[in-house]
Amino acid sequence: GENVEQHPSTLSVQEGDSAVIKCTYSDSASNYFPWYKQELGKRPQLIIDIRSNVGEKKDQRIAVTLNKTAKHFSLHITETQPEDSAVYFCAAGPSGGSYIPTFGRGTSLIVHP
Amino acid sequence: EAGVVQSPRYKIIEKKQPVAFWCNPISGHNTLYWYRQNLGQGPELLIRYENEEAVDDSQLPKDRFSAERLKGVDSTLKIQPAELGDSAVYLCASSAYSFGTGAYEQYFGPGTRLTVT
Repeated sequence: GENVEQHPSTLSVQEGDSAVIKCTYSDSASNYFPWYKQELGKRPQLIIDIRSNVGEKKDQRIAVTLNKTAKHFSLHITETQPEDSAVYFCAAGPSGGSYIPTFGRGTSLIVHP
Repeated sequence: EAGVVQSPRYKIIEKKQPVAFWCNPISGHNTLYWYRQNLGQGPELLIRYENEEAVDDSQLPKDRFSAERLKGVDSTLKIQPAELGDSAVYLCASSAYSFGTGAYEQYFGPGTRLTVT
């Protein structure tokens, strides 16, 4: 089955700095890579995703890159704000016919004002 | 559009007692998932339904856990009897195909935080 590794487990930055969270996956059949943001006591919310036929996707201050050859994908947050503080999860899985994502262990992002 | 609904939000029970969680997925989402999330970890799949059929339950501890999705809409997850190690957040999610992304987008409910004492 799929195995997703996520690093770092904790990331502390100053407001305005950039933050990068990295994930690796093991199953070459995975072709859909979503990222979720989970604030304390709340549900995981989909913030951005990428498919394997795309190398990079950007949505305002958030971008995701994918290196399918190396089985790496990363979340980039620019101009971080205190409200970006949360736990971020990456996931990987096949998206055709059925969707069973495997999640990383999460990164706790702390943005200091 | 209403999101995934779960109840109760919190539950405290003593070990060996039964407990049940309820989930109502987003309307039209045929796929429903139950996850368990331990503190500081990502969600781990317990069971996945396609309509009313459980198609992936390999991670469900069947000696004490059971689930059903009658009529292919609402679902319940039951634990009987509960053990101390079952304390966790139980998340329900549903998914549907997005023509925008060309993939199945998954949406989570708020979860039920279970504490077994």
